[in-house]
Amino acid sequence: GAVVSQHPSWVICKSGTSVKIECRSLDFQATTMFWYRQFPKQSLMLMATSNEGSKATYEQGVEKDKFLINHASLTLSTLTVTSAHPEDSSFYICSASPLRTPTQYFGPGTRLTVL
Amino acid sequence: AQTVTQSQPEMSVQEAETVTLSCTYDTSESDYYLFWYKQPPSRQMILVIRQEAYKQQNATENRFSVNFQKAAKSFSLKISDSQLGDAAMYFCAYRSAWGDDKIIFGKGTRLHILP
Repeated sequence: GAVVSQHPSWVICKSGTSVKIECRSLDFQATTMFWYRQFPKQSLMLMATSNEGSKATYEQGVEKDKFLINHASLTLSTLTVTSAHPEDSSFYICSASPLRTPTQYFGPGTRLTVL
Repeated sequence: AQTVTQSQPEMSVQEAETVTLSCTYDTSESDYYLFWYKQPPSRQMILVIRQEAYKQQNATENRFSVNFQKAAKSFSLKISDSQLGDAAMYFCAYRSAWGDDKIIFGKGTRLHILP
């Protein structure tokens, strides 16, 4: 149990285009999901907390207008990187916790490359 | 604010031997959770073990066990009978039992298994 999926696993796009990444909890419901960014050989950096049915909460320094988050249901959150630029190239990971469970379970990640 | 410190960027251990990864944290809270996550080359974050702060007994999961010293704010991970598949980045993490569900990660320790 407690499986989180992400799609796509790898995406390459041209500079200036937008890319949407999906995060799904497959066997549980999650009112809250988290989006992280990870640079090579570094730890996970929390970008935002996605709240079902309400606005996401962004960490300091994360551009809300560039990284749009939508949490439309208890099993799906999406991260849209708008007007992507090469500096947005990174590994993006989502996570979620089953209700009343303290453990976060992670998706397999999405590698974004912006040309 | 809570912090998590992993002072060993890299470690190596001979296959079948035992290795201990160190983690210290800082918090003023009394109720919280501590985790060790493993990130192998696939970059999928995998939960290794979880410890509830209110529990005095150290958590164990097969070959993985922790030494939780609440007063010292120390949370080390012991891996017994190390296997080649244990090679990965290991992250120590903290989560408050109250308030938001954010997890705070340490910078990680890269573990090499020598055949």
